[in-house]
Parts: sequence; structure tokens; C-alpha cells
Amino acid sequence: EVQLVESGGDVVQPGGSVRLSCAASGFAFSSFEMDWVRQAPGKGLEWVAYIRSSGESTEYADFVKGRFTISRDNGKNLLFLQLDSLRAEDTAVYFCARAMIRGIVLDSWGQGTLVTVSS
Amino acid sequence: EIVVTQSPASLSVSPGGSATLSCSASRGVGTNVAWYQQKHGQAPRLFIYGASTRATGVPARFSGSGSGTDFTLTINGLQSEDFAVYYCQQYWNWPPRGTFGPGTKVEIK
Repeated sequence: EVQLVESGGDVVQPGGSVRLSCAASGFAFSSFEMDWVRQAPGKGLEWVAYIRSSGESTEYADFVKGRFTISRDNGKNLLFLQLDSLRAEDTAVYFCARAMIRGIVLDSWGQGTLVTVSS
Repeated sequence: EIVVTQSPASLSVSPGGSATLSCSASRGVGTNVAWYQQKHGQAPRLFIYGASTRATGVPARFSGSGSGTDFTLTINGLQSEDFAVYYCQQYWNWPPRGTFGPGTKVEIK
């Protein structure tokens, strides 16, 4: 069974940082492209970042503007999202998800981890 | 960037009834459209990809259609577990900025 389990969400002050993790199991993690998608409270889905299976290529949403970094450790079946220079508008549940088509059709999702940016 | 819109924003349907959800892309995306279902407090679930292919385990009462700029998700014989928010996604462009639509909430009438 495919499982994705996020962790690391926290309450962070504006300008602060947090590192999210996503532990993958039940599939060949190193063979799949992965993404992070977020959802602000009461709002819709918003794509955040993508990483190729090898980790050699990444893409980001415009609003990231160099503040977030996606990475992975294929030896440990882990996906990461480093969030720096956080703003109130980054408050959201962050989901990791596995891509099955074109890096962005997402067939398996974690349960999400909440990042709250507040002073 | 391709902009995805969905209509209506919400609709009320009686159990056993049918629902038609619309999705439009600001320019042609072929059949590169997916639909996701999200229930309150849960992660999204892939339901349709390639505009009309049901994902694993999705009941046959769900059907997708369309190509180019206009797409439809139809749900026939709505059951209690179908009341949720449905998101349309285009995956024509890369990077996938603006990939998701705003969602349609299907509520019990």
C-alpha cells in the first residue's frame, strides 16, 4: 500500500523557517516524481513545488520566489520542503503527493501537515 | 499561464440525483485534464485523468468528458459519499503554475 506521511508542521513567526518531511513507503520512491501542494484554511489547492525522481531537477510556483527548497533522499525514501522567510499568507496545510503523469497528476497524497505563520 | 475556472462554485443535489460540473481552461489543453475529490479534512483523491479515464477504484457513476478548453465531470446517482469538493486540474503547461481550478462544492439538497 502506498503511504505518504508528512511531518514538521509548526507555528512559526513571520520571517521564520520550518522544514517539512514526507516519509514514503509501499512503492519504489526513487522512480517517482514528487510534488508539494498547499491549501490555505478554507481555500483551494495550490501547487508549490516539484522534484524529479533523481532529484536533479526542481520547479517552483511563482509565489515561492526563492524562499522554499524542495529536496529528496532516495536512500531513505524521504521528501523535504524547506520553507524560509515565511509570511502570514504561507499559512496552509502542506501535502506531499506522488506524480503519475507529467510530474503533476497526483495519484497518491499524504494527509498533510499544518504550517501556521503568526506572531 | 493557463487559467482554470470551474462552475458553479457550489451546487445542491438530492441523493440519487445527478450533477454536472464544468471546467474551462483559458486556452486549449487537449485532454490534459484531471479531476480530484476532496472531502472535508481529508487529502484530495485523484478521480479522473486524461479528461475521461477513471482512476483506480472510482465508481462508474463518475464520468469525465471534454477536450480543448471545456470539460465536464458528471456524477449520476449521487450517493452520500460523493458530497465533497471537486477540483479540476490542467496539466498541459510546464512548470505547472496555476494548475488547479478553484473547485466546485457538491452539497446535499
